[in-house]
Amino acid sequence: AQSVTQLDSQVPVFEEAPVELRCNYSSSVSVYLFWYVQYPNQGLQLLLKYLSGSTLVKGINGFEAEFNKSQTSFHLRKPSVHISDTAEYFCAVSVQYGQNFVFGPGTRLSVLP
Amino acid sequence: GAVVSQHPSWVICKSGTSVKIECRSLDFQATTMFWYRQFPKQSLMLMATSNEGSKATYEQGVEKDKFLINHASLTLSTLTVTSAHPEDSSFYICSVRWTGSVYEQYFGPGTRLTVT
Repeated sequence: AQSVTQLDSQVPVFEEAPVELRCNYSSSVSVYLFWYVQYPNQGLQLLLKYLSGSTLVKGINGFEAEFNKSQTSFHLRKPSVHISDTAEYFCAVSVQYGQNFVFGPGTRLSVLP
Repeated sequence: GAVVSQHPSWVICKSGTSVKIECRSLDFQATTMFWYRQFPKQSLMLMATSNEGSKATYEQGVEKDKFLINHASLTLSTLTVTSAHPEDSSFYICSVRWTGSVYEQYFGPGTRLTVT
């Protein structure tokens, strides 16, 4: 079975500062990795995904993530955050045919003025 | 990506009544849809996998007689919460498995259910 850990439940950061949201996973088989963002009372929006190939993945809204197989990590980064980035961020893993996702507990990013 | 809608976006019902939530895939035919539940400040938990034309597969601990799922067409799946109780109050989110890539899911905007 797979599991996902997001060590930081809350991350406060000042506007225009860089941010890293951490995600670690465990799995006995190869996984596909995703980051989603959820704004209040809304569904999930895909930020980026890693399926194969280059380990550095670029997504929407200036976010990027790097897959590190040896450290079983898929940390999300943004060099300069905006107030509008305030939201809940979920890391998720899937195996084979995407039968279902296993979500991490989420990280609440709060961007302060 | 796929466009997924849910209706209603929010609903309030009284204890003991039933409420139906619709999930629609607007721009492609989805043979598989998923239903998730999200409690406040928590992550998403998979409730069931809905397959068009067959019975849904429920996750352990989810009562299939309480959460009725019907995937009658390739664009519509419904979740009916029967005899709702206040503890069923939650945010329900559906997703569709993107047939263009078997590894991806696209999520609906969610339905906020409040049972009084």
